Amino acid sequence: ELKVEQNPLFLSMQEGKNYTIYCNYSTTSDRLYWYRQDPGKSLESLFVLLSNGAVKQEGRLMASLDTKARLSTLHITAAVHDLSATYFCAVGDIGGSQGNLIFGKGTKLSVKP
Amino acid sequence: DSGVTQTPKHLITATGQRVTLRCSPRSGDLSVYWYQQSLDQGLQFLIQYYNGEERAKGNILERFSAQQFPDLHSELNLSSLELGDSALYFCASSVAPGETEAFFGQGTRLTVV
Repeated sequence: ELKVEQNPLFLSMQEGKNYTIYCNYSTTSDRLYWYRQDPGKSLESLFVLLSNGAVKQEGRLMASLDTKARLSTLHITAAVHDLSATYFCAVGDIGGSQGNLIFGKGTKLSVKP
Repeated sequence: DSGVTQTPKHLITATGQRVTLRCSPRSGDLSVYWYQQSLDQGLQFLIQYYNGEERAKGNILERFSAQQFPDLHSELNLSSLELGDSALYFCASSVAPGETEAFFGQGTRLTVV
């Protein structure tokens, strides 16, 4: 059974600081996603990572994937208040179900001035 | 706006009742996924349909059922509702299972009282 673990689950940062969120998964997968969710809102897709060594960047966020270690990271550079949200990683479940995503518990990020 | 439409946005109902949640996928998407988000269980995959056929089942209770119609919209039926069924229910759609990114609707917030 595919399991996805994120850490930390809560992260309080000061503006201007850097930090990394980690996402480990238990079995082989062919893709990994990062989503952002604001309170009570939908999931906004940030990154889709499809291959070992993939790195994608958008603004102050950069995601990477190491399929051998079954690890993805979401790095936040010089955090700003607008980045406050909950960030989820999700892994594609290829174990016979083709397409559904298994989510981590999410990392609630709070960026303080 | 992801292009995935869910109705209603909010639903309040009593225990023991039955409700139907509706999802219209993005134009051109054949695959629909249902997810439940609750505080204690996080985001859980419930069920997936592809072009009208059930493709995969996750942690869906027997009291819950779903279907995808010829026009590709999907409905999630929840019956004999319990307090613990209160959650945010998301629908997502993709062109095909496991091949492309899934886009999430705004969700239906179900409150069982």
